[in-house]
Amino acid sequence: DSGVTQTPKHLITATGQRVTLRCSPRSGDLSVYWYQQSLDQGLQFLIQYYNGEERAKGNILERFSAQQFPDLHSELNLSSLELGDSALYFCASNPSGSSYNEQFFGPGTRLTVL
Amino acid sequence: GQSLEQPSEVTAVEGAIVQINCTYQTSGFYGLSWYQQHDGGAPTFLSYNALDGLEETGRFSSFLSRSDSYGYLLLQELQMKDSASYFCARNDYALNFGKGTSLLVTP
Repeated sequence: DSGVTQTPKHLITATGQRVTLRCSPRSGDLSVYWYQQSLDQGLQFLIQYYNGEERAKGNILERFSAQQFPDLHSELNLSSLELGDSALYFCASNPSGSSYNEQFFGPGTRLTVL
Repeated sequence: GQSLEQPSEVTAVEGAIVQINCTYQTSGFYGLSWYQQHDGGAPTFLSYNALDGLEETGRFSSFLSRSDSYGYLLLQELQMKDSASYFCARNDYALNFGKGTSLLVTP
């Protein structure tokens, strides 16, 4: 158990809908990273927050957005969902926000878009 | 996009040694990390090389050569529980993962 929690574990929804994925980092970690894992694209970095501020952006679609709240939990919002958005979404945290430090991954949310 | 190349699958026998290679195209990153992922589970950190050379952590070792744009993960005394996917990742502002190597350990 990494200490990172994600809810929900599974999510099934329809095309065109909007969903929110939630992540609570390890106690004391200020930085949260979001990753998407699909069969064809592998594990891809989406976005990073550090202490409430966006720090880095990866391959995140405009239909996706995220935020980190004062209590440091983070939410990833996915809208106008398409079949291709079906994937495992992981969040990870670390204390410093430096990518050369180990990242601790949560168990993931499996999103299925029908 | 991803610019790290790894073999897609490797099979080895219990008790043996296996090496998983990772080659990359670009330079100017902080280091190379290795993560393990069991089916459907969370990636977990194995090793990190900031500098060239070998890092040893128990049965696992990792190597980096920046001049050769190459790294590898060495797993010794293989156990059945080592069957998993192994990802190399370039440490930039976040982790830039390769597509992973599926390791199957057979009796």
